[in-house]
Amino acid sequence: NAGVTQTPKFQVLKTGQSMTLQCAQDMNHEYMSWYRQDPGMGLRLIHYSVGAGITDQGEVPNGYNVSRSTTEDFPLRLLSAAPSQTSVYFCASSYDPDNYGYTFGSGTRLTVV
Amino acid sequence: ELKVEQNPLFLSMQEGKNYTIYCNYSTTSDRLYWYRQDPGKSLESLFVLLSNGAVKQEGRLMASLDTKARLSTLHITAAVHDLSATYFCAGNSGGYNKLIFGAGTRLAVHP
Repeated sequence: NAGVTQTPKFQVLKTGQSMTLQCAQDMNHEYMSWYRQDPGMGLRLIHYSVGAGITDQGEVPNGYNVSRSTTEDFPLRLLSAAPSQTSVYFCASSYDPDNYGYTFGSGTRLTVV
Repeated sequence: ELKVEQNPLFLSMQEGKNYTIYCNYSTTSDRLYWYRQDPGKSLESLFVLLSNGAVKQEGRLMASLDTKARLSTLHITAAVHDLSATYFCAGNSGGYNKLIFGAGTRLAVHP
């Protein structure tokens, strides 16, 4: 198993550009989430999904879209990048969050200039 | 809305000493999770605490949960340098297991 794979690892965007952060897992996990990590603020939930075709908003969803067309993939789209979206983004997945928590990917470091 | 607060945010410890990190949360959380993050790395799951009074131990780390006090603790025994990392606690908010994280405790263990 490759676990949770995030691409790219690093990205620099100009203000107003759009892009998609990719997240894929090969563990057949139903639950997937996107978080952003900013210094001194821990991780904040952006969007999450409990299965293919089902997504919902987290704490900080504005400026981001998600879709879940397959169990394996959960891409995060930045519609029009802003400097405030400079952050490290983590994708996580789980088959049983209640008892086992989430497995996190290695992260994408995004800089918006 | 669930809020999770950790303290201290920074902790400098001598090797061999004991210390406790505290995690308070504002509303009911069915579960409490502890994660470790090394600099520039991803998060590693340490403990999942499922019920009031739960206690779990792994090596020099022991986590406990008091749901009545809305408090979880992570106790470090006889710290060693390898424990230097940032430790996060997280509760789950409502259904579907939305994890809400604390700000993290940056632990530095020195000789």
